[in-house]
Amino acid sequence: KQEVTQIPAALSVPEGENLVLNCSFTDSAIYNLQWFRQDPGKGLTSLLLIQSSQREQTSGRLNASLDKSSGRSTLYIAASQPGDSATYLCAVSAMDSSYKLIFGSGTRLLVRP
Amino acid sequence: DAGVTQSPTHLIKTRGQQVTLRCSPISGHKSVSWYQQVLGQGPQFIFQYYEKEERGRGNFPDRFSARQFPNYSSELNVNALLLGDSALYLCASSPDSGGYGYTFGSGTRLTVV
Repeated sequence: KQEVTQIPAALSVPEGENLVLNCSFTDSAIYNLQWFRQDPGKGLTSLLLIQSSQREQTSGRLNASLDKSSGRSTLYIAASQPGDSATYLCAVSAMDSSYKLIFGSGTRLLVRP
Repeated sequence: DAGVTQSPTHLIKTRGQQVTLRCSPISGHKSVSWYQQVLGQGPQFIFQYYEKEERGRGNFPDRFSARQFPNYSSELNVNALLLGDSALYLCASSPDSGGYGYTFGSGTRLTVV
């Protein structure tokens, strides 16, 4: 059974700091891995999607990496801003059930001005 | 283009009652998925419907049911509500049944008292 874990559960950093969020998964037979952002009480916004054959994806100040063999992904946020404050969720889909996203519990990020 | 629309945004129900949640996907998207997000946790997969057929079901009791209409909109029904059903219910649409291209709605906040 696939399990997704995110560490840390919460993180508070001063504005301008570079930071890394971690995601680990137990079964390496994934179809893809996605990072989402969720603002309080809101839906999810897709940030980055990494196909199983890829190693990383970049969008603006965000960079996500994938290491299937070790079951890990990282989300790197450069030059953090208060507007980055949100919960960041990692989700994987399996090769045999690609329609189903399995989420971690998220990392709650606070960027202090 | 309008995003994924969910209604109602908030709902309060009494234990034992029944509830129907509604979702309108992005125009052209043929797949709708439903997720339950309990406070402090990541979303849990409930159903996926594609072309009006159930393509996948998560580990939820039979009290949960769903359907998809010819215009690809969807309803999620929950019978005999329990206090533990209190959660944010998220709908996601995607172009097909694969594990990418998801757009999430803002969710319906269900409170069972």
